[in-house]
Parts: sequence; C-alpha cells; structure tokens
Amino acid sequence: QKEVEQDPGPLSVPEGAIVSLNCTYSNSAFQYFMWYRQYSRKGPELLMYTYSSGNKEDGRFTAQVDKSSKYISLFIRDSQPSDSATYLCAMTVTGGYQKVTFGIGTKLQVIP
Amino acid sequence: EADIYQTPRYLVIGTGKKITLECSQTMGHDKMYWYQQDPGMELHLIHYSYGVNSTEKGDLSSESTVSRIRTEHFPLTLESARPSHTSQYLCASSEEAVDEKLFFGSGTQLSVL
Repeated sequence: QKEVEQDPGPLSVPEGAIVSLNCTYSNSAFQYFMWYRQYSRKGPELLMYTYSSGNKEDGRFTAQVDKSSKYISLFIRDSQPSDSATYLCAMTVTGGYQKVTFGIGTKLQVIP
Repeated sequence: EADIYQTPRYLVIGTGKKITLECSQTMGHDKMYWYQQDPGMELHLIHYSYGVNSTEKGDLSSESTVSRIRTEHFPLTLESARPSHTSQYLCASSEEAVDEKLFFGSGTQLSVL
C-alpha cells in the first residue's frame, strides 16, 4: 500500500467552478503538508504549505488538513483556465531533513 | 532573480553514452535534491546533498552519481546511459530551516535510444 494515495484524474471542470482535490495517507507521523502545482513540461512549484491540522487560505486556494481522518484537501474557488495543471500533494514527518513523500498528482483541466 | 536552472531541457542520446545533467541555483541553499518523475508515477528521490562535499543516495536506487563541489552546483552523471534511464529528472533545493519547501527546476527530459 502506498503511503499517500491521490486520484490521478483527469478532472475536467468548467471555468468558475469550485474544485476539490484530495489525498489520503497512512503514516500518522506526517505533520507537514504541501500542495505543489506542476504545469506541463515544468517542475512543480509550491502552492500551499500547512503544518499539522487546520485550514489555510491564500487567495482562491484553501488547504485543509484532517489528521484524525488522514485526509488533506485543496479547494480552488472561481477556477480559471490558468489553473489547468497537475496538482501534487506532498507530506513529511518533521523539520530537519526528512523524506518528502509525494502523491501521484491529479491532472486538472478548467474549460473556458 | 533567485532561481534554479537545469540544462539541457531535453536530451536524446544513444545507449552507452556518458551524460551529465546540470543543475544550478542562485538562492544560496545548502540542501539540493534530484528527483526522478515518470508518467503516472510519484516523484522519487534519487540523490540529495546537505552541502559542499555531502552527497547521499535517496530512496529510489539509481545508477547515476552526483557531486557537490560548489554550493550552487549539483550535477548528475550517468556513465553509460541505457533505455531504462529514460525519464524526467528534476533538480530541487530547499532552505536550511524549512526542508519541506522545495524549489524545483524545470527538469531534463532524457530519452535513451
């Protein structure tokens, strides 16, 4: 069983829709949770970074962490065609060097 | 502008050739990493470095080698390329205090014929 499970999609939504992307994980020691966005033929870029449980909002993006359910989400409000990309969840145990474990990525397409 | 650069972006090469993938960063980060990414698969760490003269193997076994002679430079070398080495190679770096925030280059897409 993979430590991090993520539906690869693809997910197609109309422009303006609310998008929900999710990951589940099995390692209860994970404490740092990240979302990376990767455009085609580019490297991933950090989008959201959360420590432990709770919500974090940044513009149209909201990251949620539910450690009791081992479930994290990324919500995108008012989705735009420029949001079309692959979204990778990532997580790690603690600070100091620890391996960052990535999900497989969900491919999102926002249709104008 | 602080950034992380990878060259070449694309490389098509024959079996048995020696290749070096270049990675440089201008952010002064001590920690650097090489990841391998295949279609439909997770990113897998193949090498990392804590600083000059420090190199370690990652989780995914790789026949490649790395060196870290200068802080800003972290090249990856394959002595004899094989078709099984065909993949996307991503270089990344992170700040000393916040390892989890990785800054990635645009990657090198390697095809070995």
